[in-house]
Parts: sequence; C-alpha cells; structure tokens
Amino acid sequence: GNSVTQMEGPVTLSEEAFLTINCTYTATGYPSLFWYVQYPGEGLQLLLKATKADDKGSNKGFEATYRKETTSFHLEKGSVQVSDSAVYFCALSVRTGTASKLTFGTGTRLQVTL
Amino acid sequence: KAGVTQTPRYLIKTRGQQVTLSCSPISGHRSVSWYQQTPGQGLQFLFEYFSETQRNKGNFPGRFSGRQFSNSRSEMNVSTLELGDSALYLCASSLDGIAGGRETQYFGPGTRLLVL
Repeated sequence: GNSVTQMEGPVTLSEEAFLTINCTYTATGYPSLFWYVQYPGEGLQLLLKATKADDKGSNKGFEATYRKETTSFHLEKGSVQVSDSAVYFCALSVRTGTASKLTFGTGTRLQVTL
Repeated sequence: KAGVTQTPRYLIKTRGQQVTLSCSPISGHRSVSWYQQTPGQGLQFLFEYFSETQRNKGNFPGRFSGRQFSNSRSEMNVSTLELGDSALYLCASSLDGIAGGRETQYFGPGTRLLVL
C-alpha cells in the first residue's frame, strides 16, 4: 500500500537556522507529493506540492524536490523564523480508480526560538 | 473566494450519542473528503464524495457515514459514539478529485469532537 515516513520530532531550531525535515514515501503508481502545515488550533494549509519527478515545489522560502530515485520529498528552508513554528505534514496522493485520497505522514513539530 | 467552512467548530457529546458535522466546500469544488486526526493515529482518510456519490472509503466502521448534497455541501455522521471517536475532523475540498491525484485539497479549520 501507500505510506509516508517523516522524521520524528520535535525539531527545535534557533531563528535564522537552516531547516530540513525528511520525508520518504512508498507508493504504487505515480504519486503527487505535498507538504501541509498546521498551526495550533487550525486546519491544514497547503505549503507546497510537486506532481512529477524532479519537480521543485516552493512557497514562503520553503522548498522540496520530488526525488523518484530516492523516493523522497524533503522540506528545506534556509532561514527559519519564530512564525514558522507549527506541525508539518508530508503527504502523497495517487489516483485510485476514479478518486484520489491523501496519505499523510505522522507530522513533524517544529519549534523555533529566538 | 471563501475557503472551506466547517460547523460546528467544537462539540461535546457523551458515549452512545450520535453527531452530525457539516462542511461547505470552496465555491465550484465538487469533491469533498473527510479526515480524522488523533494524536495516536494521526491523519486518517474517512471517505470522499463527488456529485452526491461516495467514491472512496477508508477503513472505518459503519458507524461513520456521510452524504453530499446537490450544492456539494457535505455532512458526516457518527452514530453510537465511543470515547475513541474524540478527534479533530477535517473536511477538504477540491475541484473534482481526479486529475491523477495532482489536485490540491483545501482544508477547513476542522470540528473538534470530545466524547465523554
């Protein structure tokens, strides 16, 4: 079946540090890959996505590249801010029949301190 | 354009009761999916509706059901509530949920259900 594995959290960084959150996946077919972010007390917001191999998704300084050879979609940001503190979810979607659904990783909590 | 809205935002129920949650998708979106989020199990897919038909279903017992109306609004119902049903229930909408899985799903703020 399909699955997503994320690095365990929490990740604690100082402001302006470099961020990497690892994500690997197992999927049948050709998945699309997503990073969602969840701030306290809120739903999920799409951060970025990539729909085919070697695509790079980017948004708000975050980037992730779809690596088919390593089945990975690691999230990176060059300089984190306190406002980036949240839980980050890696997810994949594969069309099954006439529908598709998201399969999520367990989430990685990021805490950024001054 | 207004985002996905969910009502109510918070609910407290007791074991054995039933509950109905509502979701209004983004205007023009016809696919609505439901997810359950718990600390222990994470985010799990419940079901997906398109044009008033359930197209996809996750591994949840029959106590969990849903429906979609002609205006694409969706409801989910949980009957005979159990303590383990306490969770954040998230609704997501997309244009038609097909496109080979490439479509983005947009999430609402969720309904937090507490079962006592």
